[in-house]
Amino acid sequence: SQQGEEDPQALSIQEGENATMNCSYKTSINNLQWYRQNSGRGLVHLILIRSNEREKHSGRLRVTLDTSKKSSSLLITASRAADTASYFCALFKAAGNKLTFGGGTRVLVKP
Amino acid sequence: DVKVTQSSRYLVKRTGEKVFLECVQDMDHENMFWYRQDPGLGLRLIYFSYDVKMKEKGDIPEGYSVSREKKERFSLILESASTNQTSMYLCASRGGIALDYGYTFGSGTRLTVV
Repeated sequence: SQQGEEDPQALSIQEGENATMNCSYKTSINNLQWYRQNSGRGLVHLILIRSNEREKHSGRLRVTLDTSKKSSSLLITASRAADTASYFCALFKAAGNKLTFGGGTRVLVKP
Repeated sequence: DVKVTQSSRYLVKRTGEKVFLECVQDMDHENMFWYRQDPGLGLRLIYFSYDVKMKEKGDIPEGYSVSREKKERFSLILESASTNQTSMYLCASRGGIALDYGYTFGSGTRLTVV
């Protein structure tokens, strides 16, 4: 399956702590993307990392990609209550022009 | 900012009805997508389009069709709605040739078929 698998499925942390979630996959990809979804709303694109990149930062977000292990991680530093959401990894393969999503990690940041 | 607008936030339809879900984007994007999202199943691709009048089946096209008569509008059609099509429907778009752009999603339409 091209779908990513995310771990953990749910995460509960205190405000100010870091949150880490992982995504593993089985096929080759052109890039891997992370999205956030607040309850009952659409998805918001957070960050994209190409297959030839190993690490990328955007504000409080840090993404790593290890293509040899076919895995990625998303780190949110100094979490805030507003970071409470579901986070999805998505795999993009140019052949087929399709983006497929993992099952998501539900993150709860307690004030 | 790119905006993807889905015409309805909530929709309730009867079994057997023909249902139209509309999606409009304002950034001249070539690619548009329809997903459905269900608990435990994540997001699944129904159909996508990479140009006007072009369409490609996604992973779960059965029971659906699409229409793209204008670049900015991509419609999802449920030919004869059934209760198993109760779901959250998400439209997305992406700019053209470049592969390294994320998708922009609409806010979603929560469809209930009774």
